[in-house]
Amino acid sequence: GAVVSQHPSWVICKSGTSVKIECRSLDFQATTMFWYRQFPKQSLMLMATSNEGSKATYEQGVEKDKFLINHASLTLSTLTVTSAHPEDSSFYICSASIGGWTDTQYFGPGTRLTVL
Amino acid sequence: KQEVTQIPAALSVPEGENLVLNCSFTDSAIYNLQWFRQDPGKGLTSLLLIQSSQREQTSGRLNASLDKSSGRSTLYIAASQPGDSATYLCAVRRYGGATNKLIFGTGTLLAVQP
Repeated sequence: GAVVSQHPSWVICKSGTSVKIECRSLDFQATTMFWYRQFPKQSLMLMATSNEGSKATYEQGVEKDKFLINHASLTLSTLTVTSAHPEDSSFYICSASIGGWTDTQYFGPGTRLTVL
Repeated sequence: KQEVTQIPAALSVPEGENLVLNCSFTDSAIYNLQWFRQDPGKGLTSLLLIQSSQREQTSGRLNASLDKSSGRSTLYIAASQPGDSATYLCAVRRYGGATNKLIFGTGTLLAVQP
């Protein structure tokens, strides 16, 4: 149980285009979803926290207009990288929790974004 | 601001050795601490979770300890195997606040040589 999927698993796009990454909780309803970014050989950095039906809360230094997060349902959150640039190339990982601030986060397999 | 550091950054051991990975955090006001495993290009697999009131947790060949007052945790791997090769991350969840944010450590890249 508690499976989280991400789609696509990898994507290559041209500079200036927008890319959407989906995060789905397959067998549970996720009140809260989290988006992380991971540069090569570095740790995970939290980008934003989203609650279903509410605006996402972004961490300091994360551009909300560049990284659009939508959590329209209890099983789906999307991250859209707008006007992507090569420096946005990274590994993006989402996680989901059933509810409550003490709840366990279940992680997706990640999406590798390469911007040419 | 909570900072989580892992030592060593990389470790290479021969198969069969017992090993210890270290995690330290600057703010002892944590709710729990979690150890994860990450294979190259993959997501995270949760290994062990220790609540702030606990001293250790065990799962198979893995044993994690927590000394909250000193801001330290260790992950002990017994009888290491090549399949244990991966990056190991620790993460702390702060106590209080509106969300259950995890602060991740810098990671230890483990290579177990056959």
